[in-house]
Amino acid sequence: SFELTQPPSVSVSPGQTATVTCSGDQLGNTFTSWYQQKPGQSPVVVIYQDVKRPSGIPDRFSASNSGRTATLTISGAQSIDEADYYCQAWDSKTIFFGGGTKLTVL
Amino acid sequence: QVQLQESGPGLVKPAQTVSLTCTVSGASTNTGDYFWSWFRQPPGKALEWIGYIFYSGSTKYNPSLQSRVVVSLDTSQNQFSLSLTAVTAADTAIYYCARGAFTYGHHTMWGQGTLLTVSS
Repeated sequence: SFELTQPPSVSVSPGQTATVTCSGDQLGNTFTSWYQQKPGQSPVVVIYQDVKRPSGIPDRFSASNSGRTATLTISGAQSIDEADYYCQAWDSKTIFFGGGTKLTVL
Repeated sequence: QVQLQESGPGLVKPAQTVSLTCTVSGASTNTGDYFWSWFRQPPGKALEWIGYIFYSGSTKYNPSLQSRVVVSLDTSQNQFSLSLTAVTAADTAIYYCARGAFTYGHHTMWGQGTLLTVSS
């Protein structure tokens, strides 16, 4: 069992690169996914299997996972990317969830 | 098109046991490719994973809730349910059901959520 730690908030200017981190012991040995949740909406998976994008997710979303840190990168962030982002780890059929990061694009 | 729809009582009193149901359409719950999860989100707070059930009936729970939670599956009705005992105001939240992919653990489909309020 381990905890996943995310920064509470991240700010980025439109068109710049946003980086959201997720830290946890041996996180690199798990499958990590990332979810986007906009106010009043259900979460949507934007990254799975550490680095893969589901169909329909823009290619400005990318990710990596190594060691203790998984990173979600949004290149050329847009106002529509403003949302809460959660990381999830899948390890030994158990789910671990991060506390979420509020991304502000301004 | 896969859809998940939560249903529940909306309002319950403290100390009661509450049951929520998720009805799945467009896909079968009787498959080894997926598992069926419950999450919750208190107003203005973070998502929290509650537990999941596999088609075989095996379950996994968040240790913080394990003593009060049971997730069950009715493949004949294509539904799965969450039972939460001894509720308190801290259990007030939007409850989401979701489908998880077994291989990589990610949740590919989510319901729209149902609000549960615990109040006397």
